[in-house]
Amino acid sequence: GQNIDQPTEMTATEGAIVQINCTYQTSGFNGLFWYQQHAGEAPTFLSYNVLDGLEEKGRFSSFLSRSKGYSYLLLKELQMKDSASYLCAAQAAGNKLTFGGGTRVLVKP
Amino acid sequence: NAGVTQTPKFRILKIGQSMTLQCTQDMNHNYMYWYRQDPGMGLKLIYYSVGAGITDKGEVPNGYNVSRSTTEDFPLRLELAAPSQTSVYFCASRGVRDRGQRGIQYFGAGTRLSVL
Repeated sequence: GQNIDQPTEMTATEGAIVQINCTYQTSGFNGLFWYQQHAGEAPTFLSYNVLDGLEEKGRFSSFLSRSKGYSYLLLKELQMKDSASYLCAAQAAGNKLTFGGGTRVLVKP
Repeated sequence: NAGVTQTPKFRILKIGQSMTLQCTQDMNHNYMYWYRQDPGMGLKLIYYSVGAGITDKGEVPNGYNVSRSTTEDFPLRLELAAPSQTSVYFCASRGVRDRGQRGIQYFGAGTRLSVL
């Protein structure tokens, strides 16, 4: 079966750092995606991890530990425009994604 | 590039009516997907296709049908609409990973459907 867990909501201050954790149990796992979704809009791709370790892309970084079934998305130097939902998704055999429920991040001034 | 285009953007249906949600992509992607997203929730896979003429069920296929006669188009059909099908529907497509596209799914803007 497939199971993805991530926190429902997080609040942080502009300029701060927030870490969104994601745990997964996925048969035939072959990659972990993070998507950003602003309210009322479509999800857009943020990052992809297939090997253990950290992938850095500007203010956003994503980490994967395959042995622990664990990933996190790190958002640095938070800006107001980062207020959105962040979706963790595990890819399995058949190139299908299983999404978590999303973490809504609220950035306060 | 238009990417993934979905129509209509909004629709209100009465219980028992039928409709087709349209999805087309211009990126020559083999894989296409239909998801539904209920308020405050993640996306659940309804159906997917790995190429023209090939479709398969996802996590929540009941009450829906799909077809894939061309690479570009992947319509989703609702027969006998029910209130439980009130949701936002997203279509997505992706290319082949070994062509350097990493399997990223690109999403359309969504169709907001209410069944009353």
